Amino acid sequence: EAGVAQSPRYKIIEKRQSVAFWCNPISGHATLYWYQQILGQGPKLLIQFQNNGVVDDSQLPKDRFSAERLKGVDSTLKIQPAKLEDSAVYLCASKDAGNTQYFGPGTRLTVL
Amino acid sequence: QKEVEQDPGPLSVPEGAIVSLNCTYSNSAFQYFMWYRQYSRKGPELLMYTYSSGNKEDGRFTAQVDKSSKYISLFIRDSQPSDSATYLCAMSLTGGGNKLTFGTGTQLKVEL
Repeated sequence: EAGVAQSPRYKIIEKRQSVAFWCNPISGHATLYWYQQILGQGPKLLIQFQNNGVVDDSQLPKDRFSAERLKGVDSTLKIQPAKLEDSAVYLCASKDAGNTQYFGPGTRLTVL
Repeated sequence: QKEVEQDPGPLSVPEGAIVSLNCTYSNSAFQYFMWYRQYSRKGPELLMYTYSSGNKEDGRFTAQVDKSSKYISLFIRDSQPSDSATYLCAMSLTGGGNKLTFGTGTQLKVEL
């Protein structure tokens, strides 16, 4: 079974630029998550989707971050404009009906 | 005070040693407790999942939860160099499929 796919794996941008990350969850997984993991910290949930609906986006900085999952499969996370403190690894995870979240390898973002 | 506290390490042990990793937490409403392993440049992978207080064993791994002390532990017996990774504790109010609150992770190195 293929795992969670993310792209790009690495991205370097200047502050105030915009950036987008893509996630393809495990086939059949209805729940999708985006996490932010700053160096030396644990992952922090940004947004949780159930199919194409948002379940929890309470920790998403909505003034600059947006996410969508239009057809209930792939998802994109966008940052516009980026700040220095957005430098982190952005992890996508997915889950079926069970209790296990399966994580992708992440996108490492550096904001200069 | 963070909701979940975890010693960041690094922790270095010889091969074959018993490793003890720990987390404390402040929110007594947490009911579900997990341990994730994260190799460098990879996403976290679920190792152990427990509900409420008690012990759970899986091969060389044992998870313990003491809700009265708000303290959880992961023990690794007969540690191997392949166990070298960052270990993250995570907790949830309503199950592993919902919002997880992670510790900062403990970096473990098992040396030959």
